[in-house]
Parts: sequence; C-alpha cells; structure tokens
Amino acid sequence: GAVVSQHPSRVICKSGTSVKIECRSLDFQATTMFWYRQFPKQSLMLMATSNEGSKATYEQGVEKDKFLINHASLTLSTLTVTSAHPEDSSFYICSASSGHNEQFFGPGTRLTVL
Amino acid sequence: GQQLNQSPQSMFIQEGEDVSMNCTSSSIFNTWLWYKQDPGEGPVLLIALYKAGELTSNGRLTAQFGITRKDSFLNISASIPSDVGIYFCAGRDDKIIFGKGTRLHILP
Repeated sequence: GAVVSQHPSRVICKSGTSVKIECRSLDFQATTMFWYRQFPKQSLMLMATSNEGSKATYEQGVEKDKFLINHASLTLSTLTVTSAHPEDSSFYICSASSGHNEQFFGPGTRLTVL
Repeated sequence: GQQLNQSPQSMFIQEGEDVSMNCTSSSIFNTWLWYKQDPGEGPVLLIALYKAGELTSNGRLTAQFGITRKDSFLNISASIPSDVGIYFCAGRDDKIIFGKGTRLHILP
C-alpha cells in the first residue's frame, strides 16, 4: 500500500520558536495533502488542505499566518508552526491523496511546546 | 457544519466477545470509512464503504453503509488483545470528517 512518512516524529521546542514538520508520500505522487491536529483523547480535526503548487485552503478557525503550509512538490508538504505556544502542543497528522479516492495517513508528529 | 456522532465513546469487553459501534451523521456522505488508531500513531484504514446498503468484511471486521447514507456500523467478532485501540468512523465528500472515536478496552 501507499506509504506516507512524517518527520520528525517528536519535537520539543521553546515557546516563541517556529517548528517545521514534513510530510512525504514515499511511493506515489500526492496531488493533495491534508493536515490534521489531534488533542489528547479527541478526534482528528482538519486544519487545511493543500494542492501541489497552490495555496492551502484553511478550515474555519485555523490561522493561516500561524500554520504555514507549503506543498512545493508532489511528494512533500510542510507545516510550519510559527511562534509556537504551549497551547499549540498537539499531535499533528498529515494525509496524502493521489486523487484516486484514497487518502493515506502519516504516523503523526508529537509537538510539545515548553 | 457536518457532524458525526459516534457511539459508544468507550467499551470494556472480555476477550472473545463481539463488538459493535456505530456512527450517525447530520448529513449525507458518499463514502464511509472506518479507521483504527493505536497510541502515538496515525489512523489506519480498516474498511471503506462506497455504496448505500453496502456490507463489507475484512477478516473479523464487518461494516455497513446505511441505506440513508447518514449512518454506518462496525462489528468486530471474537475480539483479541490486539484489537485494543481507538476506532474512528469518518465520512468523506471532498474531505474527511472524523467521528469522536470509540475506545476499545479488552479485559484479560
């Protein structure tokens, strides 16, 4: 099956710093990538949808200037959490789609902001 | 916006028992999906349902796409310890909307 990787798997940073999370589709070309956030014991909440080469579409309530998404190639999307604060601590999960009605999820990145 | 109600929130069962969980929606979806998530990992697709009324099995798992297209259930037969985890239903149109999850605990 299709494989999606995320890097890093865990990151701890100081408040006020920025953190970049990478999402890669390893064996297929992902025309669309999705970024989700999951707080402890809660469901996955869609943050934004990104199509290769165009601007991301953010869900209501998600600050586009705080969560910068770049989908520069068909195998890589990045999420940068800018000026991170403790309330941004969460599990961030990406998924990728080749446009054939399937979405494949990455293993997630645990962000802890001190 | 679209909302999915998943129940039960959690289940405590004995190993070997059958499990049933369901999901209802306030609106129609074209596709219903069931995922399992282990701690610290991303969700893994268990079953995908594409047609109203469809009943699909994957080993000990069986899921159905409700005829109204607003509900779905997942059954697990003869549960085993590795079934422990969180199960999410999800509806998909242009994006996937997740239910709140059902936490399955298996008593030894």
